[in-house]
Amino acid sequence: QSVLTQPPSVSGAPGQRVTISCTGSSSNIGAGYDVHWYQQLPGTAPKLLIYANSNRPSGVPDRFSGSKSGTSASLAITGLQAEDEADYYCQSYGPSLTVFGTGTKVTVL
Amino acid sequence: QVQLVQSGAEVRKPGASVKVSCTSSGFTFTGHYIHWIRQAPGQGLEWMGWINPKSGVTNYAQKFQDRVTLTRDTSISTGYMELSRLRSDDTAVYFCARGIRVPAAGWAYYFDSWGQGTLVTVSS
Repeated sequence: QSVLTQPPSVSGAPGQRVTISCTGSSSNIGAGYDVHWYQQLPGTAPKLLIYANSNRPSGVPDRFSGSKSGTSASLAITGLQAEDEADYYCQSYGPSLTVFGTGTKVTVL
Repeated sequence: QVQLVQSGAEVRKPGASVKVSCTSSGFTFTGHYIHWIRQAPGQGLEWMGWINPKSGVTNYAQKFQDRVTLTRDTSISTGYMELSRLRSDDTAVYFCARGIRVPAAGWAYYFDSWGQGTLVTVSS
C-alpha cells in the first residue's frame, strides 16, 4: 500500500556516507507536503529522525540530514556508525491520508 | 517526559475483535491528536487513522473505514483502537503515536512520540 518508494537496502563501511531516497508523486511530496524520516531499530518502535524535510529533533546527531526536491526526498547519514544499522522510513501526506515509504535497511559493513 | 504506554499482546480468532489501549503521560492528552499505525511482520508502516482526544472526532484511512473504531477516555488520558472482523492478515504490531500537525498543511502530521507497540495475532 506504500506510495512512497525507497530502496530496499543500502550499505556502507563505518565512517562512510550513505543516502536513502524517497520517491513520491504529484499527489504527495510533489504537492508540497513535507517529508519526515524515522529510524526503527530491531524490535522497537520507530523514532523521529528528521521532520519537515530537514529539521532534527533535539538529541538527533547532526550526522543525519534531510532534503527535499520536487517529488522526492533524501536522508543522508555521514560518518556511518555501527549503531546506525536499522530500518529507515520516510513519511508524507496526500491525498487525504498519511503515507509511509517502503522502508530501507541500512547495513554497516 | 512524553510517554505512550500500550496494552499487552493479544491473540484472536478470525472474525473476532480486538481493542488496544494507549495511555499517555507527560503532556496534555487533549492537546494532541493520537494516531494509530500498524506494521505486519517483516513489512512496512501503515497509517490507520487519528482521533482528536479533545472532541472525539476521528478520521480513518479508507482501507479500515468499516472495521476500525478509535475512542478515548480523557479522564485517564487513554486512547483505544478497536479492530473488528479480524483476518489473518491483520496480524501485526499496532502502534499509537502522538501527532504533531504541520503548520499550514491541512491534516498533515508527523509523529514525535510512539507507544512501544502491541502485537495482535490472528490465528485459528
